[in-house]
Amino acid sequence: GQQLNQSPQSMFIQEGEDVSMNCTSSSIFNTWLWYKQDPGEGPVLLIALYKAGELTSNGRLTAQFGITRKDSFLNISASIPSDVGIYFCAGRTTSGTYKYIFGTGTRLKVLA
Amino acid sequence: GAVVSQHPSRVICKSGTSVKIECRSLDFQATTMFWYRQFPKQSLMLMATSNEGSKATYEQGVEKDKFLINHASLTLSTLTVTSAHPEDSSFYICSARPLGTGKETQYFGPGTRLLVL
Repeated sequence: GQQLNQSPQSMFIQEGEDVSMNCTSSSIFNTWLWYKQDPGEGPVLLIALYKAGELTSNGRLTAQFGITRKDSFLNISASIPSDVGIYFCAGRTTSGTYKYIFGTGTRLKVLA
Repeated sequence: GAVVSQHPSRVICKSGTSVKIECRSLDFQATTMFWYRQFPKQSLMLMATSNEGSKATYEQGVEKDKFLINHASLTLSTLTVTSAHPEDSSFYICSARPLGTGKETQYFGPGTRLLVL
């Protein structure tokens, strides 16, 4: 199936550092969702974006809907050990369906 | 709010048997639910879209006779893996699209780990 390009694939950071990850696509999307998945669990919704240029925060997390509508970014400020997990972006195309395409995931590991 | 449950959370079965997985939206209604499959260290792959009161829509390459989907009510969808084989072993996750919120999103269940011996 189709997937979005998500980078970086994985990253190790020190506690307290800021983290940035992004998703890019060749297709235009009208909705972007960001999820976090812990091992053996289902993804948990972090942030939803609905308009190009939209910038939305959820605590230490901030996500942006790219102006071109082909990308999105997620930033985590002042990371803590519980931020460890896999982060997925998901994009919904303009095709009129409710289906989402998922990114390849960014595996985050935080060193205390 | 927006809680989705799955049952069972884990199942081990013998090859050739069928396994049913339930997905329920606990505090909202969902005309549309989705079934995903996830292999270790990989992303989620959409298998099918489950529509309340109508037939499911399957993604390319997913056998509809192998993975039977029933969306009997606005809060329940079931996935039945028929005649399961070891290659069907995977993590199956459902999601539900809330009805009437005005905002497009999906909420995921906790997943069901299937092991076929």
